[in-house]
Amino acid sequence: DVKVTQSSRYLVKRTGEKVFLECVQDMDHENMFWYRQDPGLGLRLIYFSYDVKMKEKGDIPEGYSVSREKKERFSLILESASTNQTSMYLCASRIRDSLKNIQYFGAGTRLSVL
Amino acid sequence: LAKTTQPISMDSYEGQEVNITCSHNNIATNDYITWYQQFPSQGPRFIIQGYKTKVTNEVASLFIPADRKSSTLSLPRVSLSDTAVYYCLVGVSNDYKLSFGAGTTVTVRA
Repeated sequence: DVKVTQSSRYLVKRTGEKVFLECVQDMDHENMFWYRQDPGLGLRLIYFSYDVKMKEKGDIPEGYSVSREKKERFSLILESASTNQTSMYLCASRIRDSLKNIQYFGAGTRLSVL
Repeated sequence: LAKTTQPISMDSYEGQEVNITCSHNNIATNDYITWYQQFPSQGPRFIIQGYKTKVTNEVASLFIPADRKSSTLSLPRVSLSDTAVYYCLVGVSNDYKLSFGAGTTVTVRA
């Protein structure tokens, strides 16, 4: 089974802090994704990475950055956390050029910014 | 990405079969139909995917009529642990985005 592991299930941070969310996958997938999920808004794509050191903005990249130094690890960075970034953050991975585009998700990190 | 429409919620009882229909009238020729399941405070989990006719795995069956404008996810003999949100997605392999709508909240009662 594909395993996508997010470093924290729950996180509480203060406004203005720099926050790192880590995601590791064990299936040698090229593509990795960061989403946030909010009630009534569904899943929204923040950033994705085609491969190591490659990244593309998703629909809502403002206030976030990412890092992909190794194939298995994709980090989401909140440069200066704000209360409107309180959300559930989900990491996913998939095989590049997959005919079927199946994404495998981690358990999520519920972030509260106070 | 093709737009999908599915019921907001469905109630069922343990042991019953649950069928969730998803409409996707503007599905394109190369689009696959994929269903995910999400439990509270968990990430979505891939359940099943199909292109046409019927697909079955250990978890569910997916029925797709010839015109492919809709699809039905069938969950046989549900249990309380099948209570979750079920999402229908339609897209092609090079879509890096997944468009999750509101999904269908299935509640299974004892």
